Amino acid sequence: ETGVTQSPTHLIKTRGQQVTLRCSSQSGHNTVSWYQQALGQGPQFIFQYYREEENGRGNFPPRFSGLQFPNYSSELNVNALELDDSALYLCASSLATGAQYNEQFFGPGTRLTVL
Amino acid sequence: RKEVEQDPGPFNVPEGATVAFNCTYSNSASQSFFWYRQDCRKEPKLLMSVYSSGNEDGRFTAQLNRASQYISLLIRDSKLSDSATYLCVVKNSWGKLQFGAGTQVVVTP
Repeated sequence: ETGVTQSPTHLIKTRGQQVTLRCSSQSGHNTVSWYQQALGQGPQFIFQYYREEENGRGNFPPRFSGLQFPNYSSELNVNALELDDSALYLCASSLATGAQYNEQFFGPGTRLTVL
Repeated sequence: RKEVEQDPGPFNVPEGATVAFNCTYSNSASQSFFWYRQDCRKEPKLLMSVYSSGNEDGRFTAQLNRASQYISLLIRDSKLSDSATYLCVVKNSWGKLQFGAGTQVVVTP
């Protein structure tokens, strides 16, 4: 196990609703990245948080927003849900050390279904 | 054109055989390359980094060809437990990971 936890594991919402997904990073990690993985696709980068600040964003609309808390846990919020938002949402934590690459450890994901 | 492209497979491989597959990337400024493994309905896990000189990790060999902008993964002596989707991952010039859609490998007895 990576030590990264996500909640809830599954969620069903209807179009237009709002959802909040949560992620607890691995102990000692200061960076959290969020990904959306649609069926049959690879994970797509949504955004990354480093020390409570957004540190890069992928090609997702503003209705996807996030937070990182002082304990480095994080939330992903999605407003005005659309059917295409149905996917597995993964968070990954890492420790930013200035090295070229810091391995990201993924949580088990939250499977969101929008009806 | 997608930033990272992979043959989705599936590659059906007899146990004990060798399988190899490639991944192409479009951004020549990409900095780092990785293979991740994802089991069905599970999270991705880092399999190995890919170095310019090529590298091995047990039965797995990764190669990088910067001139042609592709990376490859070779699995020798395939085990049933190697059945998974293998995700090609590229770290782009602004430091974020870009994933391919994955290549499915099915190892059969």
